[in-house]
Amino acid sequence: EPEVTQTPSHQVTQMGQEVILRCVPISNHLYFYWYRQILGQKVEFLVSFYNNEISEKSEIFDDQFSVERPDGSNFTLKIRSTKLEDSAMYFCASRVRGGYNEQFFGPGTRLTVL
Amino acid sequence: KNEVEQSPQNLTAQEGEFITINCSYSVGISALHWLQQHPGGGIVSLFMLSSGKKKHGRLIATINIQEKHSSLHITASHPRDSAVYICAVEGGGNQFYFGTGTSLTVIP
Repeated sequence: EPEVTQTPSHQVTQMGQEVILRCVPISNHLYFYWYRQILGQKVEFLVSFYNNEISEKSEIFDDQFSVERPDGSNFTLKIRSTKLEDSAMYFCASRVRGGYNEQFFGPGTRLTVL
Repeated sequence: KNEVEQSPQNLTAQEGEFITINCSYSVGISALHWLQQHPGGGIVSLFMLSSGKKKHGRLIATINIQEKHSSLHITASHPRDSAVYICAVEGGGNQFYFGTGTSLTVIP
């Protein structure tokens, strides 16, 4: 069964460093999402991406964040200068088309900023 | 502000019990999603609803658009149902809002 994959499973970085979280969505999916979940808190929407551009982003998704689909298979989330409060689990998700169908979530990347 | 409110926050049930988790939302939506988050952290989509009712095995989800309310029911609960159940609503334009989740423990 096709699945969304994410790498790495755990990333440890120093405050101020850049990190890139990688996701490989399911191959025929067209809509892509990033979410984060700070430990013990609810899941939060970061950004949705379709047709090689951002379709929606939340207030959390400020200038420190960017997304890219560099090669037609990977979908990446970059955090330019990490802060302690960026420590969280980051989930990628994809779906075939927007609206009226389910999302498939990746296993998540745990980001720890020291 | 919380666009999505879930209740209860925590729920403990005996195996075999009928379980109801409630979700209320305050924004206009195109769809509502019920998700299951396992103890290891992985998230699985259970249902996507825009109206009415859906059933999948022992799980039933309903939505009342006028009242901005949805319920997730689990019949004949089992210890393997123990997880966090999350209600998420999809606003216009591919934006999502999540509830804080309901942590369910089913005791044998």
